[in-house]
Amino acid sequence: DAGVTQSPTHLIKTRGQQVTLRCSPISGHKSVSWYQQVLGQGPQFIFQYYEKEERGRGNFPDRFSARQFPNYSSELNVNALLLGDSALYLCASSLDATGGYGYTFGSGTRLTVV
Amino acid sequence: GDSVTQMEGPVTLSEEAFLTINCTYTATGYPSLFWYVQYPGEGLQLLLKATKADDKGSNKGFEATYRKETTSFHLEKGSVQVSDSAVYFCALRDPYNQGGKLIFGQGTELSVKP
Repeated sequence: DAGVTQSPTHLIKTRGQQVTLRCSPISGHKSVSWYQQVLGQGPQFIFQYYEKEERGRGNFPDRFSARQFPNYSSELNVNALLLGDSALYLCASSLDATGGYGYTFGSGTRLTVV
Repeated sequence: GDSVTQMEGPVTLSEEAFLTINCTYTATGYPSLFWYVQYPGEGLQLLLKATKADDKGSNKGFEATYRKETTSFHLEKGSVQVSDSAVYFCALRDPYNQGGKLIFGQGTELSVKP
């Protein structure tokens, strides 16, 4: 079975631009969560979606948004990019919303804002 | 709110040395505790977990015991190898208060020299 896949793996954007990151969960997993990992720090929770509904939102500005599709894949959108948005963005999938059966992380998308 | 604190790195050890990475947590509920490992350029991999007080998680020679009285979940390994060089993250999940999100510590970088 394929693991959690994220695309693209790397990208470079200019301040003020918009970016869309994509995540495909493990087959059968209905929940997707997004995390931001700034260099040298632990991942910070951004969003969780389950069955296409938002189940949790971290302390991030409204420039960050996400959605989940009927096939359970997900997109994370960031508008009006700032230099401080440069980070590794991780997607994690789980069977249910509680994560009681565990999470599987993708390899991440490395976003650089210049 | 809930939080996780890890010992600062980097930790540098010689091969076959004993490893301890300290982790303490603050939570209002009854969290599950995790250790994740991140190898260079990769996402997070679950190393071990414990879901209730006095549980011991173990995997690949690593162990950690959930100590509610000291709110700790220290990671140990009796004899480290060069291949253990990575960044280690302690994390908690508190479904009754925080839903499905994971709260991570800042990470501890381990470097093992031959």
